[in-house]
Amino acid sequence: DAGITQSPRHKVTETGTPVTLRCHQTENHRYMYWYRQDPGHGLRLIHYSYGVKDTDKGEVSDGYSVSRSKTEDFLLTLESATSSQTSVYFCAIKREGGSEQYFGPGTRLTVT
Amino acid sequence: GESVGLHLPTLSVQEGDNSIINCAYSNSASDYFIWYKQESGKGPQFIIDIRSNMDKRQGQRVTVLLNKTVKHLSLQIAATQPGDSAVYFCAENQENYGQNFVFGPGTRLSVLP
Repeated sequence: DAGITQSPRHKVTETGTPVTLRCHQTENHRYMYWYRQDPGHGLRLIHYSYGVKDTDKGEVSDGYSVSRSKTEDFLLTLESATSSQTSVYFCAIKREGGSEQYFGPGTRLTVT
Repeated sequence: GESVGLHLPTLSVQEGDNSIINCAYSNSASDYFIWYKQESGKGPQFIIDIRSNMDKRQGQRVTVLLNKTVKHLSLQIAATQPGDSAVYFCAENQENYGQNFVFGPGTRLSVLP
């Protein structure tokens, strides 16, 4: 499972509230990713990181910010959650020298 | 934008039969492809990958075929087992160009007893 954990695993929040999701990895991988998964869309990249304090936007970054202050943690923040951000969020890593990505167990977020 | 995935939502196969799951891609510049398996309530699990300089790659009970002429990818599962029931989706990437994988919507494989 590439040593990836996500927290919380489930969260219900109200529109307009801030939410932070955490991805934690234990294998010191440089690359980390945040995706959202919605029916009919497949996985879509939100943001990714290629090292501590090095991040970049993905396909659907609007309304999201990220931070990576240490190698093992990659945080995804919804500054003011909206109902359109109800989704399942997956974190992934890429091993050095490889191209494939390995995913965490996911966080189901519901914005009411 | 470019898209990946043949929208075939469900595939039902008899236990012991072979399964074939298909995926179409539209970006002719894509040079790396992955198949993932996702069981209910879990994260996607890497199955097998293939680069564009190959047209076939085999793993344990799985084979991926790549037809660059028609931009088509398939995953073959031999002797399908109940544990193979899941959603399968493909992903494409230009390996030396950015981090953006494009993922297909997936196909649900149901294995009948």
